[in-house]
Amino acid sequence: GQQLNQSPQSMFIQEGEDVSMNCTSSSIFNTWLWYKQDPGEGPVLLIALYKAGELTSNGRLTAQFGITRKDSFLNISASIPSDVGIYFCAGQLNGGSQGNLIFGKGTKLSVKP
Amino acid sequence: GAVVSQHPSRVICKSGTSVKIECRSLDFQATTMFWYRQFPKKSLMLMATSNEGSKATYEQGVEKDKFLINHASLTLSTLTVTSAHPEDSSFYICSARRLAGVLWDTDTQYFGPGTRLTVL
Repeated sequence: GQQLNQSPQSMFIQEGEDVSMNCTSSSIFNTWLWYKQDPGEGPVLLIALYKAGELTSNGRLTAQFGITRKDSFLNISASIPSDVGIYFCAGQLNGGSQGNLIFGKGTKLSVKP
Repeated sequence: GAVVSQHPSRVICKSGTSVKIECRSLDFQATTMFWYRQFPKKSLMLMATSNEGSKATYEQGVEKDKFLINHASLTLSTLTVTSAHPEDSSFYICSARRLAGVLWDTDTQYFGPGTRLTVL
């Protein structure tokens, strides 16, 4: 079945630094989603990407849907302490009745003030 | 963004009892909802797909008689953990799919806040 490789697994950075994480897949996806999960909470949608090559921003976050449809990256600029959490990428093969998400294993972000 | 709620947020029960978890989409109708299970420091594992008005579709290895799913309306799906055992203790998260009109290939899943189940 499809698998997503998300890297890095964890990051320890200084406040103010930029962050980059990515996901790659052996399969093509039609949609890429990036979520953030705080401890004890459900994932919150950060950015949704629907077209190959699409570059989308949400405040300090920027994500891109790879042109091959097999990868995506998420950048966070000028990190702040509240960026701490686990970031998951998720790929969706089809919409409609087959829109199950395939999740990466997550990137744990720690920000040192 | 879209809002999905879960109730309860935490539940502690005795072994052998059944526990019901509710998932509601508060500001949109969801023909499809999903139930996930998450172990500590792990990613989300899809348990089943809940379709309004029809039977749920379970992932391989998930016991349908153990985890009963009912999706009786366009805004509510319930997961009942029957005869719970300590190994069922976990974080259960639901999501609801919001369709972007006729553009089904741009639908998005929104997650609930999760339910922490502890079986003693």
